[in-house]
Amino acid sequence: DAKTTQPPSMDCAEGRAANLPCNHSTISGNEYVYWYRQIHSQGPQYIIHGLKNNETNEMASLIITEDRKSSTLILPHATLRDTAVYYCIVRATHNAGNMLTFGGGTRLMVKP
Amino acid sequence: EAGVTQFPSHSVIEKGQTVTLRCDPISGHDNLYWYRRVMGKEIKFLLHFVKESKQDESGMPNNRFLAERTGGTYSTLKVQPAELEDSGVYFCASSLQVAGELFFGEGSRLTVL
Repeated sequence: DAKTTQPPSMDCAEGRAANLPCNHSTISGNEYVYWYRQIHSQGPQYIIHGLKNNETNEMASLIITEDRKSSTLILPHATLRDTAVYYCIVRATHNAGNMLTFGGGTRLMVKP
Repeated sequence: EAGVTQFPSHSVIEKGQTVTLRCDPISGHDNLYWYRRVMGKEIKFLLHFVKESKQDESGMPNNRFLAERTGGTYSTLKVQPAELEDSGVYFCASSLQVAGELFFGEGSRLTVL
């Protein structure tokens, strides 16, 4: 699976949009972009995933550039409970191992 | 619907002892995974079951670790004998499909003294 690069940390004001970037310049055509997050002392939580079209669900939006070399996770109205480490993962879903390769992630701190 | 449950939530043992961690996946999920985060490191894949069969165990660190999933329901991960470097949080996850979303449990924290 392709490697991803994320900033180690970010701050966001409560109620504002949090925009978390991810670079995946070596992504191949059959690889999806997944986002998970880990709130302190909890297990990782799935947020969203996409291939090339932008995606939106009740938690977030995922914007993938046309060349697919980068993406942005958007939390439209961040709350204090969104403080967590966010992981951008590139994964080929045909991979029989189906493993998720977690990197260092971005530690998002939402401040009042 | 119950999520992935793990037991115990925290275990403290001495070096050389044995510990068995248990994971109950979401009902109906054939795919079960074990991951772990040791101190200061990233979350790492250990292995993947499809029903009772080990699909991928490439992440298992050594033969002190034994994972089983008899009957294709719950799974156990035994560490025998435990070493100091085994301390960390062990996560279990399950998914309905091989390529599907993974649902993680809260993790079992293992402390080896």
